[in-house]
Amino acid sequence: AQSVTQPDIHITVSEGASLELRCNYSYGATPYLFWYVQSPGQGLQLLLKYFSGDTLVQGIKGFEAEFKRSQSSFNLRKPSVHWSDAAEYFCASLHSNSGYALNFGKGTSLLVTP
Amino acid sequence: EPEVTQTPSHQVTQMGQEVILRCVPISNHLYFYWYRQILGQKVEFLVSFYNNEISEKSEIFDDQFSVERPDGSNFTLKIRSTKLEDSAMYFCASSDTYSTSGAPTDTQYFGPGTRLTVL
Repeated sequence: AQSVTQPDIHITVSEGASLELRCNYSYGATPYLFWYVQSPGQGLQLLLKYFSGDTLVQGIKGFEAEFKRSQSSFNLRKPSVHWSDAAEYFCASLHSNSGYALNFGKGTSLLVTP
Repeated sequence: EPEVTQTPSHQVTQMGQEVILRCVPISNHLYFYWYRQILGQKVEFLVSFYNNEISEKSEIFDDQFSVERPDGSNFTLKIRSTKLEDSAMYFCASSDTYSTSGAPTDTQYFGPGTRLTVL
């Protein structure tokens, strides 16, 4: 069965520091991969997605993610974090040969300190 | 920018009562979804809906749950007899479709959620 793992439940970074949130997937074929962000009181907003092609994808708000097949990973990165980036981040996968339901990881809560 | 809206934002109900959660998907989208997130757990898929019928459902979506598109804009999730374990955040999402195949596009747009508390 497909699964998405986010190993870090909480991450704390200083404002201006770089950020990397980890995501690993478990599936035989390459899935479609997504990162969503949820700010307090808000819905899940799509940051970026990977379907095929260039393994480094750019998203909104200065985020990027790199797909690494050898590591079954799709880590989210940002070179310089802003206080407004504090939120919950979810990695998700989609496998079109098993329906169109997104399969989410448990999420990583990001805290940004001054 | 078009967005998915959900009402109410919070719902408190007594165990055994029926609740209806409402969603207004993005207007030209044809695929609709419900997900839920129990506190401290991951977001889980419940059901997808297309062309006035359920397209796919998870094992969570048992006979206590039903979905409906009562008019051209709303999409609802009904829980007939709520249990304590139904307490969760419920998210609605919608997606566009490919004009040639009618399959949903791969990006789902989510609403802000309804927090359901069953006492």
